[in-house]
Amino acid sequence: AQSVTQLDSQVPVFEEAPVELRCNYSSSVSVYLFWYVQYPNQGLQLLLKYLSGSTLVKGINGFEAEFNKSQTSFHLRKPSVHISDTAEYFCAVSDPGNAGNMLTFGGGTRLMVKP
Amino acid sequence: DADVTQTPRNRITKTGKRIMLECSQTKGHDRMYWYRQDPGLGLRLIYYSFDVKDINKGEISDGYSVSRQAQAKFSLSLESAIPNQTALYFCATSDLGLADNEQFFGPGTRLTVL
Repeated sequence: AQSVTQLDSQVPVFEEAPVELRCNYSSSVSVYLFWYVQYPNQGLQLLLKYLSGSTLVKGINGFEAEFNKSQTSFHLRKPSVHISDTAEYFCAVSDPGNAGNMLTFGGGTRLMVKP
Repeated sequence: DADVTQTPRNRITKTGKRIMLECSQTKGHDRMYWYRQDPGLGLRLIYYSFDVKDINKGEISDGYSVSRQAQAKFSLSLESAIPNQTALYFCATSDLGLADNEQFFGPGTRLTVL
């Protein structure tokens, strides 16, 4: 079974600074990778996903992520964060080799953007 | 209008009570899921359903049951609530036709069991 590790439970950062949220997953032949964002008192919404092709994936709100197969990582980055980016971020993986192709989520990273 | 709705949004109940959380979707998706979210643990799958006649246990199904009343409706029941079921519960849907199984989430139900 897949497992997903988000190495930082909380990441404090000042407004306009760059940020990286780290995600590692257990190895598999091929996987699909997702980043979801949860704003306060809301459900999860998709930021971006990697299916195949270019390893650099661009998403909404200026976020991007890079798929690194050799390091089994899918780190999320933004060059300049805003106060409105304060939220919890979840990395998830689905394994098309498994029946149902279920999503496995990491524990989440709380991004706290300070003025 | 929201594509995936959950009712109630907040609920406080007492130990031993039966509770039902409801989920409806207008996305026309076949697949529906129930997750619970606990701090530091991410989302864990409780039950899922790939169509009206299909119900499957997830990672943490003990103490829960579900009913898929129609393609658009999937309810989660706690037969006898206990305090460690206090959590944020999410319903999600996905399209059978999408290979990557991207899921679409409702706004969540915050359940507190006293």
